[in-house]
Amino acid sequence: DSGVTQTPKHLITATGQRVTLRCSPRSGDLSVYWYQQSLDQGLQFLIQYYNGEERAKGNILERFSAQQFPDLHSELNLSSLELGDSALYFCASNPVGTGNTGELFFGEGSRLTVL
Amino acid sequence: AQSVAQPEDQVNVAEGNPLTVKCTYSVSGNPYLFWYVQYPNRGLQFLLKYITGDNLVKGSYGFEAEFNKSQTSFHLKKPSALVSDSALYFCAVNSLGGGSYIPTFGRGTSLIVHP
Repeated sequence: DSGVTQTPKHLITATGQRVTLRCSPRSGDLSVYWYQQSLDQGLQFLIQYYNGEERAKGNILERFSAQQFPDLHSELNLSSLELGDSALYFCASNPVGTGNTGELFFGEGSRLTVL
Repeated sequence: AQSVAQPEDQVNVAEGNPLTVKCTYSVSGNPYLFWYVQYPNRGLQFLLKYITGDNLVKGSYGFEAEFNKSQTSFHLKKPSALVSDSALYFCAVNSLGGGSYIPTFGRGTSLIVHP
């Protein structure tokens, strides 16, 4: 158990809908990272938050957004869903935001299926 | 920009034999290199990392990795494979982005250990 909690574990929805994925980082970790894992794209970095502020942005679509709340949990919002958004979405955390050389601690992921 | 290549989608090895999972990287400046393992329906788990120092790094579950700067490689090794080592293995390199280090992951290598 990494200490990172993600909900829901599984989610099935229709095209055009909107979903919210939730992540609670390890106790004391200030950074949250979101990754998308799909068969054709591998593990793609989406976005990072550190202590409530966006710190880095990767290949995140405009239809996707995220935020980190004062209690440090984070939510990833996916809207106008398309079939290609079906993937496993991982949240990871670690203590440091800047100059970090440490490992990430991953949650077990949220599997999104868009029908 | 940095990148990681895992040239083998799948590695097959017999139990008790040594295993190697290959990884090469490209990064500006000094690399920070990591190996993670993903078991079915689970999140990624950290195995080991190279930041600086000895080129041979030892990690969890008897795994080790050798950093080779001239060949820009960081191959994962284990002297004697176990069936329970069967999983998906990811190599990752850290880079600087937005004031933080964002790990870039390879596409993963599926390790299958046969009894």
